[in-house]
Amino acid sequence: GENVEQHPSTLSVQEGDSAVIKCTYSDSASNYFPWYKQELGKRPQLIIDIRSNVGEKKDQRIAVTLNKTAKHFSLHITETQPEDSAVYFCAARGGADGLTFGKGTHLIIQP
Amino acid sequence: EAQVTQNPRYLITVTGKKLTVTCSQNMNHEYMSWYRQDPGLGLRQIYYSMNVEVTDKGDVPEGYKVSRKEKRNFPLILESPSPNQTSLYFCASISENTGELFFGEGSRLTVL
Repeated sequence: GENVEQHPSTLSVQEGDSAVIKCTYSDSASNYFPWYKQELGKRPQLIIDIRSNVGEKKDQRIAVTLNKTAKHFSLHITETQPEDSAVYFCAARGGADGLTFGKGTHLIIQP
Repeated sequence: EAQVTQNPRYLITVTGKKLTVTCSQNMNHEYMSWYRQDPGLGLRQIYYSMNVEVTDKGDVPEGYKVSRKEKRNFPLILESPSPNQTSLYFCASISENTGELFFGEGSRLTVL
């Protein structure tokens, strides 16, 4: 099955700086790569996703890049704000067995 | 409103006492799944179902059962709960159109 590795496990950045979270996956057949944000005590919520036929996707301050050859994808958050503090999960899906998640990154925005 | 609803949200029980966590979705999704979330381990899939009467094991199925008698419902059954099943559980369904996974609000289970 799919295996997703996510780094770092904790990331602390100054407010206004950029944050980058990286993930690698093992199954070359995977074709859908979402990112979820989970605030304390809440369910994960989709913030952005990318499919294998696209190399980059942006939505305001958030962007995701995908390198299929290297089997890695990254989340980029620019101009970070206090409300960006949360746990972020990457995931990958190829076959019919659903999404495989990374272990999560705790993003801390320092004022 | 499109949603995934699971109950109970919080439960404290004792070892060996059977329990069921219910899950229902109103989006007519064929695909549903259960995840457990533990500190440092992320979200791990327990079971999934691609349609009525079709269920498959995920990454951590031991100690759990599921059923899919109707499209909207996908209950998670712990026949004989043990303390290592203390966790936060999420039910989810997937949109066939977008691939997006919709989570329920979560059920925090403590087994003493």
